[in-house]
Amino acid sequence: GQSLEQPSEVTAVEGAIVQINCTYQTSGFYGLSWYQQHDGGAPTFLSYNALDGLEETGRFSSFLSRSDSYGYLLLQELQMKDSASYFCAVADMGRRALTFGSGTRLQVQP
Amino acid sequence: DSGVTQTPKHLITATGQRVTLRCSPRSGDLSVYWYQQSLDQGLQFLIQYYNGEERAKGNILERFSAQQFPDLHSELNLSSLELGDSALYFCASSASDTGTATGELFFGEGSRLTVL
Repeated sequence: GQSLEQPSEVTAVEGAIVQINCTYQTSGFYGLSWYQQHDGGAPTFLSYNALDGLEETGRFSSFLSRSDSYGYLLLQELQMKDSASYFCAVADMGRRALTFGSGTRLQVQP
Repeated sequence: DSGVTQTPKHLITATGQRVTLRCSPRSGDLSVYWYQQSLDQGLQFLIQYYNGEERAKGNILERFSAQQFPDLHSELNLSSLELGDSALYFCASSASDTGTATGELFFGEGSRLTVL
């Protein structure tokens, strides 16, 4: 089966940097995605890593280490609007769908 | 706006009843995925259809069924509803058979089901 572990909650202040970690166990690993979900809203895609290394998209970066079955999402220059839940998800070719972690609730404080 | 449309947005019903949730994927997308999200929980994969055919099954209960029609819209049927079925039901779409190819799925705004 597949399993993903990520912290349940993280708190940070405006302007700070926060890192949300994700470890996974899966067979036939293909890639790691990150999604953002505001309360009551739809999950929206942030990033995808299929290869080892860092991918940067504006204030958000995502990292993957396939050998360690580990990745993280890095959010810089935090803004109040970044308060949301963040989900890592593994892409497993055998499953054809994404399996999501239980999510990390990020609270940004003034 | 992801381009994925789900109806209804909210639905309140009683235990033992049956409901149908509808999803229209983004224009051009052939794959539709259904996910269930219970309160403060992650997204649980239910089922995937590609161009009218079932392609993958997750933790979908036998009381639940789905189908994808020739115009590519999909319906999720939930029957003999129980209190525990109360959740947000999301539909997502992707262009390819394997949404895992790019790791990106486009989600609708969800249908919130409340079973009383």
